[in-house]
Amino acid sequence: RKEVEQDPGPFNVPEGATVAFNCTYSNSASQSFFWYRQDCRKEPKLLMSVYSSGNEDGRFTAQLNRASQYISLLIRDSKLSDSATYLCVVNGEYGNKLVFGAGTILRVKS
Amino acid sequence: GAVVSQHPSWVICKSGTSVKIECRSLDFQATTMFWYRQFPKQSLMLMATSNEGSKATYEQGVEKDKFLINHASLTLSTLTVTSAHPEDSSFYICSAGGLAEVNTDTQYFGPGTRLTVL
Repeated sequence: RKEVEQDPGPFNVPEGATVAFNCTYSNSASQSFFWYRQDCRKEPKLLMSVYSSGNEDGRFTAQLNRASQYISLLIRDSKLSDSATYLCVVNGEYGNKLVFGAGTILRVKS
Repeated sequence: GAVVSQHPSWVICKSGTSVKIECRSLDFQATTMFWYRQFPKQSLMLMATSNEGSKATYEQGVEKDKFLINHASLTLSTLTVTSAHPEDSSFYICSAGGLAEVNTDTQYFGPGTRLTVL
């Protein structure tokens, strides 16, 4: 079983739509959780950290369910520029090593 | 702040040659740097963790004699792919983390190096 699992998609949505991605992780000892965004042939960039109480940053809302070991990302009012691969990331068992999911592809179309 | 650069951004080489990739933290000192590899449509896989002045720690399945890592200063880490073969063709990305002034879980990524071995 992969440490971090994501639906690869692609999710094809029209502009303005709301879309949600889910992610599950296997290491119950993980303490830090993130969503990264990766554009084609580029490095990943931190989108937001995910906190236990859930957190919001503009059109983006992240939620964490520790009991189910499940993380979600909600994007409201999708823009064309949101088209990218979204990576679910958790810290590993030791220190600050990060474990990446394979990513979910989002395509926003006009 | 927290800018990481990589050089070269892409490289094409013949099978059997060695390739060196540099990772630099431009505006901060990075005590820890990470090297990742990403094959097409796959996730980033951590290859090794390097701490300034000490030997790198390699992940299981990564050959330390093939992927030589040197972290001689707080702003520079290098990855050398020795005797590269076509199966080593990949996107190699470094990141810097463990900064005292920021969340220790945050990593700042370089722009990556695309290696193609013919």
